[in-house]
Amino acid sequence: DIQMTQSPSSLSASVGDRVTITCRASQTIRNYLNWYQQKPGKAPNLLIYTASTLQSGVPSRFRGSGSGTDFTLTITSLQPEDFATYYCQQSYSSPFTFGGGTKVEI
Amino acid sequence: EVQLVESGGGLVQPGGSLRLSCAASGFPFRNYWMSWVRQAPGKALEWVANIKQDGSDTYYVDSVKGRFIISRDNAKNSLNLQMNSLRAEDTAVYYCARDLLAIFGVHDYWGQGTLVTVSS
Repeated sequence: DIQMTQSPSSLSASVGDRVTITCRASQTIRNYLNWYQQKPGKAPNLLIYTASTLQSGVPSRFRGSGSGTDFTLTITSLQPEDFATYYCQQSYSSPFTFGGGTKVEI
Repeated sequence: EVQLVESGGGLVQPGGSLRLSCAASGFPFRNYWMSWVRQAPGKALEWVANIKQDGSDTYYVDSVKGRFIISRDNAKNSLNLQMNSLRAEDTAVYYCARDLLAIFGVHDYWGQGTLVTVSS
């Protein structure tokens, strides 16, 4: 199975900050990398798929990049509603493993 | 509006069985791969299984192979997960999720989840 490693596991930031979260795959996954946001007690929400494609309705301050094994999610200007946990997921091969999550706190 | 509503969760003893269901509406269910994803309390998401549009292909995470069975009824717009030989480590919120059209493994709509607790 492909292992997905996110860093950091948590971070503290302020409104307006630029935030970067990284995700590394244990083997190449080309660009089959997705990002989700999850708020407490809620289902995850798809932000970005295939590394850099913004899901419909997601604000443009969310940006994804990378290919192969190393990927990045950037929030260009953190908003109050962005405080949440973020997960990467590979969809290159089954099982479609998730990273351990990054909690973005105030 | 796309809606996914899970049901069937609850408390079950180790070794027991439970059947989860997901009622889908607001989209042509038969056209989409569908998945189950779970989340143990305070833990990360874990992909569990998925099923092809016509039910002819299924995939599972190793930890549930031979114990869980994913199925669907396209006439009833329903996705199911039969869970047998349940273990404490299966305790989690189970989410039903729709895969993006033509890009399986990417989940664009999720249900609200149903909690399964395995405990004596």
